[in-house]
Amino acid sequence: EPEVTQTPSHQVTQMGQEVILRCVPISNHLYFYWYRQILGQKVEFLVSFYNNEISEKSEIFDDQFSVERPDGSNFTLKIRSTKLEDSAMYFCASSGTGASNSPLHFGNGTRLTVT
Amino acid sequence: DQQVKQNSPSLSVQEGRISILNCDYTNSMFDYFLWYKKYPAEGPTFLISISSIKDKNEDGRFTVFLNKSAKHLSLHIVPSQPGDSAVYFCAARDTGTASKLTFGTGTRLQVTL
Repeated sequence: EPEVTQTPSHQVTQMGQEVILRCVPISNHLYFYWYRQILGQKVEFLVSFYNNEISEKSEIFDDQFSVERPDGSNFTLKIRSTKLEDSAMYFCASSGTGASNSPLHFGNGTRLTVT
Repeated sequence: DQQVKQNSPSLSVQEGRISILNCDYTNSMFDYFLWYKKYPAEGPTFLISISSIKDKNEDGRFTVFLNKSAKHLSLHIVPSQPGDSAVYFCAARDTGTASKLTFGTGTRLQVTL
């Protein structure tokens, strides 16, 4: 079964540094998402992306965050200047359509640790 | 923001018995509900979903029930198997923001032998 793949599985960075988290969505999917889960808390929506632009973002997704689809297969999340509170599991997801009944398929996540 | 609540953080069930996981929501605009299963060190895996126009959806051992008037849904797993041991998340979408899922806090299910 096709799957969403994320790299790296674990990223450690110092506060203030830039990080780029990478994702390869399922190949025929058109909608892409980033979610995160801070340890012990809920999975939270960050951003959705379709047709090379952001379709929706949460209040968490401030100017420090950006997303990009640099080529036909990758989807990246960049955090420009990391803060301690950015430490979390970051999950990439994709769906075939943006319809309500199109389930999201998640990758295994990148654990980001900011020291 | 507690729009989706799973009030039981954990549940233990014997193998072969029924597991019932519950979820409550407050947002009347939610029109589609999903259950995800998550193993440690993996991402959430889609299990089953239900549209707000239905009250039941079944897929093999998994059945989801929706009670719109009570704003409550439940996931039934029967018979439960040890491999079902995982964290189960309820999630919901509303009509205005189809791309965004709102998750509950999860229920850890332990299926014992």
